[in-house]
Amino acid sequence: DAGVIQSPRHEVTEMGQEVTLRCKPISGHDYLFWYRQTMMRGLELLIYFNNNVPIDDSGMPEDRFSAKMPNASFSTLKIQPSEPRDSAVYFCASSFGTGNTIYFGEGSWLTVV
Amino acid sequence: SQELEQSPQSLIVQEGKNLTINCTSSKTLYGLYWYKQKYGEGLIFLMMLQKGGEEKSHEKITAKLDEKKQQSSLHITASQPSHAGIYLCGAGGYGQNFVFGPGTRLSVLP
Repeated sequence: DAGVIQSPRHEVTEMGQEVTLRCKPISGHDYLFWYRQTMMRGLELLIYFNNNVPIDDSGMPEDRFSAKMPNASFSTLKIQPSEPRDSAVYFCASSFGTGNTIYFGEGSWLTVV
Repeated sequence: SQELEQSPQSLIVQEGKNLTINCTSSKTLYGLYWYKQKYGEGLIFLMMLQKGGEEKSHEKITAKLDEKKQQSSLHITASQPSHAGIYLCGAGGYGQNFVFGPGTRLSVLP
């Protein structure tokens, strides 16, 4: 049974470039989360969707960040333009219903130079 | 909002030793999740506890939730190098209300 699938696993990009991270949640899950992990701040929730609709994007740091979920099996997190301080691991996660276990992908390691 | 603290921050043990990691909440826990993260990988769900006094085991890892539901412990028996990683507890409501602890970094020396 496939878990949450993220791509790319690693990305190194230059400051100012656009970065797009992709996620395929577990089939049947109706909640999708985007987290960011850094040494300084730990895991932070950026945004989450329920049935493809963004519910809470209060964790999105700036307007440079945007996320979409065009259908139940695909979501993107875009950073435009990217900055060095965006360097982090970005996790996508999904769950079924509220209060149930959240399953994580393996993360996208982003380095902005 | 709920806050989770973990102790110790890091731990180095010799292979075969037992160890305990603690997670303490600022509020009553209504669902406490334990995850493990290996370097370069995502979070792997280990166990979830809901009831006061509940205890669950998976292989050599045992997690408990105290009766007051404000503290959980994760105990590893006869540790192995494969147990190395970062252990995080998570709890709370949903969305922004679900929080993670800062993590405990475990190293197991062969």
